[in-house]
Amino acid sequence: QLHLQESGPGLVKPSETLSLTCTVSGDSINTRSYFWAWIRQSPGKGLEYIGSVFYNGDAYFNPSLKSRLTMSVDASKSQFSLNLNSVTAADTATYYCARRHLGGHSVDYFDFWGQGTWVTVSS
Amino acid sequence: DIQMTQSPSSLSASVGDRVTITCRAGQPISTYLNWYQQKPGKAPKLLIYGASTLQSGVPSRFSGSGSGADFTLTISSLQPEDFATYFCQQSYTTPYTFGRGTKLEIK
Repeated sequence: QLHLQESGPGLVKPSETLSLTCTVSGDSINTRSYFWAWIRQSPGKGLEYIGSVFYNGDAYFNPSLKSRLTMSVDASKSQFSLNLNSVTAADTATYYCARRHLGGHSVDYFDFWGQGTWVTVSS
Repeated sequence: DIQMTQSPSSLSASVGDRVTITCRAGQPISTYLNWYQQKPGKAPKLLIYGASTLQSGVPSRFSGSGSGADFTLTISSLQPEDFATYFCQQSYTTPYTFGRGTKLEIK
């Protein structure tokens, strides 16, 4: 069974960089069938798709965050990562990593999620 | 971005009831519509993808329908474990967007 686990600091200062890692177990991260995604959830904005990265490093970023965002994959550690710079209080949220499954027509969904990690942006 | 509008935002129902939640997309999205269930303190769980395909392991009392811009999630006979918040999500075009959720509460 696939398992995803987020890790990273729970508190980040304004203007600094939020860095999170997702460790994948139970299956290979080196697969052409899936993207590896980040989604966040806050009371104010609800669920927001941040972006996703392919095993070869190709990535898609939400345009609203693109200028502050980088994502990467480290297949040797079965991990993928998120870096969001210049954070503000608006970036306070629960951050989830997830597997994005792409298939045929209409097959594009998030089928496995990590438990989520709450990140507060505050001085 | 495609706006996803769910209704109602909250709903009270009893065990055994039949419940329907609706989701409307801001533009046609074919059947690129997914439904998730979320319980407090937990991650969302995929229930239905492609508007009507039940994810493996999800009870058959859950069903989805619709295409274009209007979709429904139906629970045929509510069970105690179904009281949760339900979200729709479009995967027709990026950035993928979610509805604000429908909180299903016990009457």
